[in-house]
Amino acid sequence: AQSVTQLGSHVSVSEGALVLLRCNYSSSVPPYLFWYVQYPNQGLQLLLKYTSAATLVKGINGFEAEFKKSETSFHLTKPSAHMSDAAEYFCAVTLPGYRTLTFGKGTMLLVSP
Amino acid sequence: DADVTQTPRNRITKTGKRIMLECSQTKGHDRMYWYRQDPGLGLQLIYYSFDVKDINKGEISDGYSVSRQAQAKFSLSLESAIPNQTALYFCATQNANTGELFFGEGSRLTVL
Repeated sequence: AQSVTQLGSHVSVSEGALVLLRCNYSSSVPPYLFWYVQYPNQGLQLLLKYTSAATLVKGINGFEAEFKKSETSFHLTKPSAHMSDAAEYFCAVTLPGYRTLTFGKGTMLLVSP
Repeated sequence: DADVTQTPRNRITKTGKRIMLECSQTKGHDRMYWYRQDPGLGLQLIYYSFDVKDINKGEISDGYSVSRQAQAKFSLSLESAIPNQTALYFCATQNANTGELFFGEGSRLTVL
């Protein structure tokens, strides 16, 4: 079975600083990977996904993630944090064929002025 | 109007009561899901359905049941609610071609 581990339940950055949210996966076959964002009192929405094409994936709101097979990682980055980026971020994994997604426990991003 | 609509958005009930959470969608997707979110635990899959005749248990189905009334409707029931079922519940649909999940805004359930 596949799984993801998100390192750090909370990450704090200053506005304008680099954002790095970590996700490591475990899968017996090459997986598909997703990042979702949840703003307060809302459902989750897709930021970006990796489906075995380009290893560097660009998403909405300036976020990107790089699939590194050797490190079994899919970390999410953004060069410069905005206050509006404050939210909870979830990494998720599935197998090719798009069956059910397995989510990590989430990382809350806090952005200070 | 939202593509995935959940009702009620908030519900407070007592131990032992039967509760139904409803979900309807206008995405036209065959696949629908119910997840439960608890602080620090992420999202856990309760049940999922890949079409109107298909129902599957997820990782935490005990104490829950579902009904897929139509392609657009997927309801979650708690036959006899207990306090540790207090949580935020999400319904989602899935685009089978891209894998993307589309979430409702959630139903917050409190069991006293």
